[in-house]
Amino acid sequence: AQKITQTQPGMFVQEKEAVTLDCTYDTSDPSYGLFWYKQPSSGEMIFLIYQGSYDQQNATEGRYSLNFQKARKSANLVISASQLGDSAMYFCAMRERAAGNKLTFGGGTRVLVKP
Amino acid sequence: NAGVTQTPKFQVLKTGQSMTLQCAQDMNHNSMYWYRQDPGMGLRLIYYSASEGTTDKGEVPNGYNVSRLNKREFSLRLESAAPSQTSVYFCASSEPVTAPLIWFFGPGTRLTVL
Repeated sequence: AQKITQTQPGMFVQEKEAVTLDCTYDTSDPSYGLFWYKQPSSGEMIFLIYQGSYDQQNATEGRYSLNFQKARKSANLVISASQLGDSAMYFCAMRERAAGNKLTFGGGTRVLVKP
Repeated sequence: NAGVTQTPKFQVLKTGQSMTLQCAQDMNHNSMYWYRQDPGMGLRLIYYSASEGTTDKGEVPNGYNVSRLNKREFSLRLESAAPSQTSVYFCASSEPVTAPLIWFFGPGTRLTVL
């Protein structure tokens, strides 16, 4: 079974609008962390936001927020007020303490912001 | 403070050739990782080193070897390159005892095997 599933291969979003990127995960480990990374066309991996399994509140970092629904095992990324520079691939990833804290990635979602 | 550095940035090999990808980090992290990213896909773990002196296989270790030379450096070797190993290779590091646990990635090595 896939550990991390991103069901949206690609999305268009209008500049200045918000966009939600879906991520569902599968784990039986009570201690885990969820991450979102951005990969622009230049190729580097840029850390955006982190949510720990025991965190009570949804994580926020500037225009990025993580909609963490633990019972549904989802960790959707919300980008508010999209900018042209947000056009990139976005990856959801999970680390599980029981699995040696390795980081496992989903297949990614490509976002294109239209002016 | 350079973070995670990788050399080379690009490489073209012929089938059967060998090469070593170098990775170094200056953040004093204990854990280091090698990932590969095939076109249009997410990253898959090849090997990792939880701490200096230890290495373990990840999801796709076949055809690769690694060496954790010291705390800073973690190299990935292809002994006999195959076209299926054409990919972008990322090195990453993290520090398991800090919270939150964040992975820092190098800029990647784009490898083509002909």
